[in-house]
Amino acid sequence: DAGVTQSPTHLIKTRGQQVTLRCSPKSGHDTVSWYQQALGQGPQFIFQYYEEEERQRGNFPDRFSGHQFPNYSSELNVNALLLGDSALYLCASSFSGYYGYTFGSGTRLTVV
Amino acid sequence: QKEVEQNSGPLSVPEGAIASLNCTYSDRVSQSFFWYRQYSGKSPELIMSIYSNGDKEDGRFTAQLNKASQYVSLLIRDSQPSDSATYLCAVNMPLGSYNTDKLIFGTGTRLQVFP
Repeated sequence: DAGVTQSPTHLIKTRGQQVTLRCSPKSGHDTVSWYQQALGQGPQFIFQYYEEEERQRGNFPDRFSGHQFPNYSSELNVNALLLGDSALYLCASSFSGYYGYTFGSGTRLTVV
Repeated sequence: QKEVEQNSGPLSVPEGAIASLNCTYSDRVSQSFFWYRQYSGKSPELIMSIYSNGDKEDGRFTAQLNKASQYVSLLIRDSQPSDSATYLCAVNMPLGSYNTDKLIFGTGTRLQVFP
């Protein structure tokens, strides 16, 4: 039973570019949440998707956007990259958003 | 005041000792509490969850919850060098009218277990 799969594992982008990160939830899970973890910090909630809709957004600008597909997989898009966007981006899936989130291995984004 | 507070450490304990990690949270609406272990460069791994006041034991790990004091702790007995990692405390926060929640994390406590 595959867990949460994220791709790519590492990414280097230049300031101003755009990036797309991908996530496949654990089998049986229908809810996907995205978190950003800067160095030395705890993960910060970006947004959550359920039934292809964004349920709530954390304190992140509109440069951060997402999508969920009918098969429950999800994408996180970040436009106009800033140096401060460098972080580990984590995808977490759950069943209906409750009782335990399973995290993927993350995508390490470096903006230069 | 931060929503979830942890001492950043490092907390250094000798092999075989008990490591005690603490966490306080600010919002009484939180009902679910989690401890994640994160090795350097890796993603968080859930090691304990607790929902009711009192103690919950799983192997060498014991989670303690006191909702009146808004306090969660994790005890690691017989600490091993392989336990050296950052331990993240997380609490749930309901998402408005939706029947779901998000996790609010502390900044983590770095634990070092030396031989």
